Amino acid sequence: GQQVMQIPQYQHVQEGEDFTTYCNSSTTLSNIQWYKQRPGGHPVFLIQLVKSGEVKKQKRLTFQFGEAKKNSSLHITATQTTDVGTYFCAGPEGGSQGNLIFGKGTKLSVKP
Amino acid sequence: ETGVTQSPTHLIKTRGQQVTLRCSSQSGHNTVSWYQQALGQGPQFIFQYYREEENGRGNFPPRFSGLQFPNYSSELNVNALELDDSALYLCASSLGWAGYGYTFGSGTRLTVV
Repeated sequence: GQQVMQIPQYQHVQEGEDFTTYCNSSTTLSNIQWYKQRPGGHPVFLIQLVKSGEVKKQKRLTFQFGEAKKNSSLHITATQTTDVGTYFCAGPEGGSQGNLIFGKGTKLSVKP
Repeated sequence: ETGVTQSPTHLIKTRGQQVTLRCSSQSGHNTVSWYQQALGQGPQFIFQYYREEENGRGNFPPRFSGLQFPNYSSELNVNALELDDSALYLCASSLGWAGYGYTFGSGTRLTVV
């Protein structure tokens, strides 16, 4: 079946350092979505990428969708303690109009 | 605009019992998806309901069942609970299928003892 994989599983950074998480799908996706889950919380929608090669920015967060629409990345510049949490990517099952399939997430911890 | 609300927030059940979890979708959303999230894992898709019909199902046994009501609220029922069913159960609502971003509720933490 379709798989969405994320690396790394864990990332520990010093506050102010940059952070990147990578997401790979076994199938071509019509869109990819990113969610953040704070410790003890629930996933919160961050962004959706649709176009091949698309890059979107939200303040210190930069999201990219690969040219082949099978991979994506999230980069955080100058991490802050408020960035702590698990970041999930998710893509539609079957690549286009299916239910969202989530990766296992990258857990980010930030040392002040 | 109200978000997604789930009840109860926490629940403890005994193995073999049955449980019903409830979800009220965000105003304007007609699709509800249920996910199971074990500790340290990503959400696993259980099933989705669109306009009161099941619109897809993940790799979960038939003892996991659901309903969606005309007001788009939903229930998740689990029969014959097993210890491995202990998890956070998340409800997510959306407008249509997966293409527009999900709004998740805070979840129900189910513990089976």
